[in-house]
Amino acid sequence: GQQVMQIPQYQHVQEGEDFTTYCNSSTTLSNIQWYKQRPGGHPVFLIQLVKSGEVKKQKRLTFQFGEAKKNSSLHITATQTTDVGTYFCAGLSGTYKYIFGTGTRLKVLA
Amino acid sequence: GAGVSQSPSNKVTEKGKDVELRCDPISGHTALYWYRQSLGQGLEFLIYFQGNSAPDKSGLPSDRFSAERTGGSVSTLTIQRTQQEDSAVYLCASSLLIGQYEQYFGPGTRLTVT
Repeated sequence: GQQVMQIPQYQHVQEGEDFTTYCNSSTTLSNIQWYKQRPGGHPVFLIQLVKSGEVKKQKRLTFQFGEAKKNSSLHITATQTTDVGTYFCAGLSGTYKYIFGTGTRLKVLA
Repeated sequence: GAGVSQSPSNKVTEKGKDVELRCDPISGHTALYWYRQSLGQGLEFLIYFQGNSAPDKSGLPSDRFSAERTGGSVSTLTIQRTQQEDSAVYLCASSLLIGQYEQYFGPGTRLTVT
């Protein structure tokens, strides 16, 4: 069945350093969504990418969808302590059920 | 406006008992999803509903799990004869329509089976 893998599983960075998480699907995706889950909280939608090669920016966050629509990345520039949490990608392929990635847990050291 | 609400927030039950988890989606949202999240893990799709269409039950882990959505709004997830491996946070999400729409998650129900 469809699988979505994320790397790395964990990332500890010093405040001010950059951070990137990568998402790879075993199948071509129609779209991909990114969510952030703070410790003890529930996932909150960040963005959706639909087009091949699409790049979207939200302040310090840059999201990219691969040309083959099988991979995606989230890059945070100059991390802040408020960026702490787990970042999930979720891909849609063929049906309407979203397959969530395994998540990348980000810790930012002040 | 009101977000997605779930009840109870916490449920402790004995192995073998049945439990019912409730989800109230955002008003006007026709799509509703149930996910399961084990400690420190990702989200596992369980089931989705879209309007009055037949639900996609392909993610339900066993026939002990069932879900219904009455009147296109409130949904209940029922787990019969609970097992310890059912312990997890059960998250509900709703979206305006099925497919390429933002999902709004509820706070979840933490289920502990002793």
